[in-house]
Amino acid sequence: DAGVIQSPRHEVTEMGQEVTLRCKPISGHDYLFWYRQTMMRGLELLIYFNNNVPIDDSGMPEDRFSAKMPNASFSTLKIQPSEPRDSAVYFCASRSTGNTEAFFGQGTRLTVV
Amino acid sequence: GQQVMQIPQYQHVQEGEDFTTYCNSSTTLSNIQWYKQRPGGHPVFLIQLVKSGEVKKQKRLTFQFGEAKKNSSLHITATQTTDVGTYFCAGNNNDMRFGAGTRLTVKP
Repeated sequence: DAGVIQSPRHEVTEMGQEVTLRCKPISGHDYLFWYRQTMMRGLELLIYFNNNVPIDDSGMPEDRFSAKMPNASFSTLKIQPSEPRDSAVYFCASRSTGNTEAFFGQGTRLTVV
Repeated sequence: GQQVMQIPQYQHVQEGEDFTTYCNSSTTLSNIQWYKQRPGGHPVFLIQLVKSGEVKKQKRLTFQFGEAKKNSSLHITATQTTDVGTYFCAGNNNDMRFGAGTRLTVKP
């Protein structure tokens, strides 16, 4: 397996634009997590899914953020409209039930100017 | 959701010195995991502790789970430059919430 795959690896966008981050979890994993990492706030859990269903989105900062998981092999995190304070590294991770080890993607470094 | 607190936030050591980071929870944990993130990299799983008082070792790394299962520690003996990075703990749960992490820097 290629591991958790995130795209793009880097994204630079202008304030107000829509940004879509993508994640392909490891095949067979039924949990998927989205995190945001900044120097100030550390590694924050934004939302997680179990069997494609959002379980806890309490970490989603505001209505500008939305996440979907239309099937077991794909998830998106969308920011609309983007703001400079959204600049961060966004990680996707997956794991399977009964195995607490989570596998992280390489991350997407988002810069909003 | 479950939140774990980590201290210290930063630690700078001379190569060869020991290093310890602590993870504390206000509630009992069913288990705890430790991850390491190298600079510019992504978090990578190190270990999971499940039993009260459990101690596990990985070469120079020693992991402990408290008797009350509310705290844990990671100790590195004789640090090397390859130990540089941020060490995170995550409590029990399905929701995989991480502590703030301890950033370790090692001076050669």
